[in-house]
Amino acid sequence: DAEITQSPRHKITETGRQVTLACHQTWNHNNMFWYRQDLGHGLRLIHYSYGVQDTNKGEVSDGYSVSRSNTEDLPLTLESAASSQTSVYFCASREDRGDEQFFGPGTRLTVL
Amino acid sequence: GQQLNQSPQSMFIQEGEDVSMNCTSSSIFNTWLWYKQDPGEGPVLLIALYKAGELTSNGRLTAQFGITRKDSFLNISASIPSDVGIYFCAGANRDDKIIFGKGTRLHILP
Repeated sequence: DAEITQSPRHKITETGRQVTLACHQTWNHNNMFWYRQDLGHGLRLIHYSYGVQDTNKGEVSDGYSVSRSNTEDLPLTLESAASSQTSVYFCASREDRGDEQFFGPGTRLTVL
Repeated sequence: GQQLNQSPQSMFIQEGEDVSMNCTSSSIFNTWLWYKQDPGEGPVLLIALYKAGELTSNGRLTAQFGITRKDSFLNISASIPSDVGIYFCAGANRDDKIIFGKGTRLHILP
């Protein structure tokens, strides 16, 4: 069965370190998204991609970057982790001209 | 930018009660979506609505796409313990990003 996976599921890191969160989907969807979820804010869009080599900034992109070298993967990198980036991160994918986004199980990141 | 106002933020109900939550926007959407997030999991799509005025059911869930295309509601009848979680509304226009509400956290009292 097709799926979307995230790794690691939990990560603790220190302020200033570079961190990369992985997202892998096997639906062959062109559209992929990264969100962060914080209490009181719901799901906020960080970055998104509509295809290989395409990346776009979402509403809370500062301090984050993504790259899209193939259809299946959209890794999210925190260049220099900050305590304000402690959150739960969700990756999602969606087919072209589709409305349903399929979410991964999430990565809980703690920055000390 | 586009924003969705989802209410209530949280609900505490007794098992067996009916639940109602809604979502409003200042913008028009062509599609309204309702997701549920179980604790420790990612959101999962419950119901998708594609037409203004449309009323759709999925088991004990009923959702409606408002006539103005600026609002939607979700009802859950006869709540059970596994209904606990966060419910998100979302609006979408074709080939554009999906906009999510901030969620309604449902608690069921024993």
